[in-house]
Amino acid sequence: DSGVTQTPKHLITATGQRVTLRCSPRSGDLSVYWYQQSLDQGLQFLIQYYNGEERAKGNILERFSAQQFPDLHSELNLSSLELGDSALYFCASSVDAGVKYNEQFFGPGTRLTVL
Amino acid sequence: EDKVVQSPLSLVVHEGDTVTLNCSYEVTNFRSLLWYKQEKKAPTFLFMLTSSGIEKKSGRLSSILDKKELFSILNITATQTGDSAIYLCAVPLIQGAQKLVFGQGTRLTINP
Repeated sequence: DSGVTQTPKHLITATGQRVTLRCSPRSGDLSVYWYQQSLDQGLQFLIQYYNGEERAKGNILERFSAQQFPDLHSELNLSSLELGDSALYFCASSVDAGVKYNEQFFGPGTRLTVL
Repeated sequence: EDKVVQSPLSLVVHEGDTVTLNCSYEVTNFRSLLWYKQEKKAPTFLFMLTSSGIEKKSGRLSSILDKKELFSILNITATQTGDSAIYLCAVPLIQGAQKLVFGQGTRLTINP
């Protein structure tokens, strides 16, 4: 158990809908990262937040957005869902986002299925 | 573009065999390379390599980095069915933030 929690574990929804995925980082970690893992794309970085502020963006679609709240939990919002958005969404956390790499601890993931 | 490539993508061996998984990378400002094991869900951290030629070892798993040739290998000796997993190689990109660039992974299946 990494100490990172994600809810829900599974989510099944229809095309065009909007969903929210939630992540609570390990106690003391200020950085939260979101990754998408699909069969054809592998694990891809989406976005990073550090202490409430967006720090880095990866291959995140405009239909997707995220935020980190004052209590440091984060939410990933996916809207206008398409079949291709079906994937495992991981959240990871680390102590900080400084110049030196800090180990990222991964949550159990949310499996999103878009029908 | 920063890139991490793993090979093979899939490997099936018998219990007791030794396997070698490969990871090559092309990234700017390289600092370290990470190996993860992914079983059913979340990737779990195995090794972080920062220096060339220094082997990291944990039980039957070992890994080494070659910064001149830009690759790393992960060796697993005396494989067991519990080693069946996807093995991921990743390089952190750190420029005021940090993100992991992952390879496609190697799906390792150990048959009894």
